[in-house]
This record gives sequence, C-alpha cells and structure tokens, in this order.
Amino acid sequence: SAVISQKPSRDICQRGTSLTIQCQVDSQVTMMFWYRQQPGQSLTLIATANQGSEATYESGFVIDKFPISRPNLTFSTLTVSNMSPEDSSIYLCSVEGRTEAPFEQFFGPGTRLTVL
Amino acid sequence: AQSVTQLDSQVPVFEEAPVELRCNYSSSVSVYLFWYVQYPNQGLQLLLKYLSGSTLVESINGFEAEFNKSQTSFHLRKPSVHISDTAEYFCAVSESTGGFKTIFGAGTRLFVKA
Repeated sequence: SAVISQKPSRDICQRGTSLTIQCQVDSQVTMMFWYRQQPGQSLTLIATANQGSEATYESGFVIDKFPISRPNLTFSTLTVSNMSPEDSSIYLCSVEGRTEAPFEQFFGPGTRLTVL
Repeated sequence: AQSVTQLDSQVPVFEEAPVELRCNYSSSVSVYLFWYVQYPNQGLQLLLKYLSGSTLVESINGFEAEFNKSQTSFHLRKPSVHISDTAEYFCAVSESTGGFKTIFGAGTRLFVKA
C-alpha cells in the first residue's frame, strides 16, 4: 500500500486568491491523480499527473484554473487559481497501487477548501 | 468512455437486516470494478475489487459483490449489517486499457438504524 499525505488539511480562502495543495507519497509512483469531492457528492477526476510530462485534464477542467506540477516520482501540487465559492470542495490526491495492488487506488486524507 | 450509475442515493436499513447497494456501469472494453467506502470523517478506502477470475468477491467485514457481465452490474450485498457499516459507498470502474483512470459513481449513503 501507499501512504499519502496532503498539505494543508484545510483552508479558508478569499475569492480571487489561489491555493496550492501539496501531495507527498511514501514511494515512487508513475501516475498521480487529483480529484474533487464537492459537498455530498462523488469524486470527480480533475487530472492525471505523470512525472516528466504535462498533466492530462478531464473534460470541464483546464490548466489555467488548476495548474499541476509533478517534479518527481513522489510529489505533486495542485493549484486552485482565482478561486470562487464554487471551488469550495475537498481535493484529494491518489495513486495507483502498482504491482502490489494493481488498479487499486490509495487516497490522501484530502484538503478541505472553503472559499468565501 | 466508461460511466457508473448507483441507483440509490440513500439506503436506510435496520441493524441485522440484509442490504444491497446497486451499481451498473457502461463500457466498450473490459473493466475492473471496485467498491470504496468512506466512513464519517474518514478518508476513502477500498472495500473490495474485481479484476478477473471468480465473479464473486468478498471483503473482510462480510460484504460481497458479484460481477455480472451480461447485466453490466456489480451490486454490493451484506446479509446482516451493523451500526458500524454506516458510511458512504462508492462504486468505481477502471477500463483495462484506460491507463488506471478510475471513474466513480455518485455514491450511496448507507444508514444503519438500531
């Protein structure tokens, strides 16, 4: 299994500002995923982040709004830019279990974002 | 592209009663299927998964799910629920050719009453 930590665990931000969320994994992984879980709803995949290449964004999500960095095999950041109250959500990073647990995803504890 | 439908948003049930949480998926290729659980104020964790082989898979806490290819379903069942099973349950699908991308259903909130 993979142990994943996220920073910050929660934040309250003002409209128009940006927040960068960090995700750290205790082992090297090829693919990292960023999800959004809005209040009372399911997880929606924002993008897939591979080390050494541009992130792949899902429909409805764009790089200008959610820039992602993936500088190495254990770390990634997601920035929520020019925030509005609609961005209030829990943001989760996850990794795939590789050979030990193929196709299983391990999730970080999440970052609870409130935009005022 | 794959999609996942969970037919029930909430399922209230009395303790020790049986429960079934329904999940249907659509995909044009072979899939891997999962149930994840999110207990109150906790992170998401895997409950059980189907990758290949036996179509009936079980979890360590008494849940089971059966992959039905003809009906494109992966319903979750437990013959007798406990208060501690109260949680949000998410069905998820990953296409075998999809590069590990996983799509989640809307979730079913199981509420077990005493």
